[in-house]
Amino acid sequence: QQPVQSPQAVILREGEDAVINCSSSKALYSVHWYRQKHGEAPVFLMILLKGGEQKGHDKISASFNEKKQQSSLYLTASQLSYSGTYFCGTALNNNDMRFGAGTRLTVKP
Amino acid sequence: DGGITQSPKYLFRKEGQNVTLSCEQNLNHDAMYWYRQDPGQGLRLIYYSQIVNDFQKGDIAEGYSVSREKKESFPLTVTSAQKNPTAFYLCASSISWSGTGMRGYTFGSGTRLTVV
Repeated sequence: QQPVQSPQAVILREGEDAVINCSSSKALYSVHWYRQKHGEAPVFLMILLKGGEQKGHDKISASFNEKKQQSSLYLTASQLSYSGTYFCGTALNNNDMRFGAGTRLTVKP
Repeated sequence: DGGITQSPKYLFRKEGQNVTLSCEQNLNHDAMYWYRQDPGQGLRLIYYSQIVNDFQKGDIAEGYSVSREKKESFPLTVTSAQKNPTAFYLCASSISWSGTGMRGYTFGSGTRLTVV
């Protein structure tokens, strides 16, 4: 039931863009995105509900393709503060969420 | 400010011992969750509680037990039956079981448990 994330890790220079993908083998009700810094709690970024929406938060945005059962997180003009591990959480209904294994993002000066 | 407090931050357990991890929230959230985090495996659900005095097993409940006697508290006991307990444990809450959606989960800072 756990979603599959890709890539597992990515290294960027400041100002570069990145895309993180999250896919499920089952029809999704919603997708959550979280960022976790080393040794800290994951922090909620955004949620996308079925209906194929796209959301943005500063220079971080996400899309949800209901037909393909996948979501993508877009980080544009990356900053050092974007470093961390990004998790997607997928829910098959209005609850019962499972998390992917995470994508480790490193932004270098 | 409201949030979730997990304690202790680090915990060492001897073989055969039971240990209890504390999780307290002052967010007035109905639903609470325990996850285990291992390198490369993401977050795996141990137990969850939709409401006081009710809880359900998650995907990896064997060797763990919980209680939910108060809305604010959801302690996790790692029993001696859990053969590989060394991991990072995260507690989370959401406003309600059915209202998980719009605000997501709030996580605590975690407890790192090590078997010595």
